[in-house]
Amino acid sequence: EAQVTQNPRYLITVTGKKLTVTCSQNMNHEYMSWYRQDPGLGLRQIYYSMNVEVTDKGDVPEGYKVSRKEKRNFPLILESPSPNQTSLYFCASSPSGTGGLAKNIQYFGAGTRLSVL
Amino acid sequence: GNSVTQMEGPVTLSEEAFLTINCTYTATGYPSLFWYVQYPGEGLQLLLKATKADDKGSNKGFEATYRKETTSFHLEKGSVQVSDSAVYFCALRLTGGGNKLTFGTGTQLKVEL
Repeated sequence: EAQVTQNPRYLITVTGKKLTVTCSQNMNHEYMSWYRQDPGLGLRQIYYSMNVEVTDKGDVPEGYKVSRKEKRNFPLILESPSPNQTSLYFCASSPSGTGGLAKNIQYFGAGTRLSVL
Repeated sequence: GNSVTQMEGPVTLSEEAFLTINCTYTATGYPSLFWYVQYPGEGLQLLLKATKADDKGSNKGFEATYRKETTSFHLEKGSVQVSDSAVYFCALRLTGGGNKLTFGTGTQLKVEL
């Protein structure tokens, strides 16, 4: 089954304790992205990756890091979490490049709800 | 900059009522437009899309028409069901803008018996 898998689904942590949220896709997609969802703000892009070893900042990258060492995995790293990073996080993936719009539809994971105390 | 504006929710309807969720956009260039749906506890799923002016996207009884003159992409359904209760997001993607999606704030729909 084609899917984007995030772990963990729920996480409660304390300020300053490093954490990693994993994201894995089994569709051989080049493009992967992280979003955060906050009430009244919709989804905002944190970081994205066009392919292995190619990452770039989205709209709200501060306080986050990512890496793309393998095509299927795109972990989100919070080196020193703060309470303002309490949010619902989504990973997404899609094919990239030419070939029409259908190839660029993004597939989302089920989300990770993070609380930073 | 690019942005998407949706009507605020929650929208509460009775089953079989007509649904409209308004969406307008601001974009440089010619975007593709999307509606995504998020059911409780799940990630977003693509509901429908349109790539150019006057295109109509449709799926599961939902429709939206790309109106360039009014920069709008309103979502409609003739008869909603309880199972349509979810959060609906309007989004745009710029041509040549990579795969980045710009989302609206989302509209929660509650359908009651």
